[in-house]
Amino acid sequence: GAVVSQHPSRVICKSGTSVKIECRSLDFQATTMFWYRQFPKQSLMLMATSNEGSKATYEQGVEKDKFLINHASLTLSTLTVTSAHPEDSSFYICSAIRDPQSQYFGPGTRLLVL
Amino acid sequence: GENVEQHPSTLSVQEGDSAVIKCTYSDSASNYFPWYKQELGKGPQLIIDIRSNVGEKKDQRIAVTLNKTAKHFSLHITETQPEDSAVYFCAASNTGNQFYFGTGTSLTVIP
Repeated sequence: GAVVSQHPSRVICKSGTSVKIECRSLDFQATTMFWYRQFPKQSLMLMATSNEGSKATYEQGVEKDKFLINHASLTLSTLTVTSAHPEDSSFYICSAIRDPQSQYFGPGTRLLVL
Repeated sequence: GENVEQHPSTLSVQEGDSAVIKCTYSDSASNYFPWYKQELGKGPQLIIDIRSNVGEKKDQRIAVTLNKTAKHFSLHITETQPEDSAVYFCAASNTGNQFYFGTGTSLTVIP
């Protein structure tokens, strides 16, 4: 299967700082990547769709100025949580679409904001 | 929009028995139905998928069936093993790369 990596796997930061999470498709090119947030024992909550070379499309209720997404190449998308607060603590998962339609997920990033 | 329902939310089976998880969807435009396995603290892993022009697909102990008329699809795991214990998510997708996920099934295989 296709491989998607995420870095870092876990991060602890102080309130008010920014955190960047990288998502890479290692063995295929991905025009489209997704960013999800997952709360304990819940399903995946789509935050935004990241398209290479264009602005990300954010889901309703997701602050685009807080969760900055950049899809600079066909293998890399980044999510930056700006001015993080404890309520931003969560499990963030990216995924990449391998054409035509298969979605492969990264291993996730556990963010803890103190 | 699409609505995907998944049942049961929890499932316990004895090792060696079969497990079945069912999902329904509402949008006839959905044409791709993947299943994901998520272990604790990890990202979901694609384990099997089926497209709308196929009724059944099998990969070793895992099989998926699709009934387009009734708009439901199911995951079947035979000869379950403890390592099959995880949360399983179904999803429905359309050609616009929109994915709609079920709420997940926590499967426990009892040794």
